[in-house]
Amino acid sequence: KAGVTQTPRYLIKTRGQQVTLSCSPISGHRSVSWYQQTPGQGLQFLFEYFSETQRNKGNFPGRFSGRQFSNSRSEMNVSTLELGDSALYLCASSLEGLGSPLHFGNGTRLTVT
Amino acid sequence: AQKVTQAQTEISVVEKEDVTLDCVYETRDTTYYLFWYKQPPSGELVFLIRRNSFDEQNEISGRYSWNFQKSTSSFNFTITASQVVDSAVYFCALPSFSGGYNKLIFGAGTRLAVHP
Repeated sequence: KAGVTQTPRYLIKTRGQQVTLSCSPISGHRSVSWYQQTPGQGLQFLFEYFSETQRNKGNFPGRFSGRQFSNSRSEMNVSTLELGDSALYLCASSLEGLGSPLHFGNGTRLTVT
Repeated sequence: AQKVTQAQTEISVVEKEDVTLDCVYETRDTTYYLFWYKQPPSGELVFLIRRNSFDEQNEISGRYSWNFQKSTSSFNFTITASQVVDSAVYFCALPSFSGGYNKLIFGAGTRLAVHP
């Protein structure tokens, strides 16, 4: 079974631009979550989608948004990029239910200059 | 509030040494799961184990073992006879109380360096 696929692996953007990251979950997984990882803040939850609906959201500004398609693939968008948005963005998918482990992709490393 | 503490920032060992990574957690849930993940230099977080709060039996998987103690709110991870390939950052995680199953609270991570 193919794992979680994230594209692109690396991105370099300029302040003020916007960016879209893509995530394809493991086949059969309907929940997709996004996390931001930075050296200073560690791993922080961004949001979770299930059946095309945002189910949970972390403490991030409205510049961070996402969506999920009917095939469970998900995208996240960051508008008006700031230097502090430079991070590794990790997508994870899982089966539904308490205790179902998250399976992560390789991440997209975003650098904002 | 939910919280996960990994007090060890970095550990350095020589190959074949045993090493234990500590994890202490706080939760208001009576039923919960705990997880360990490994993050090698490639960046992907690899799921290692989950533990149900009702099951305090220790678990062993090859060179890996886990010691879950509800009384001390600890879920420690031991690697026996460490190898260079074990070098990675290890994270302990707990689902958020109000955030749903997939909103994990991660510890800060412990960077393990295994030297030949």
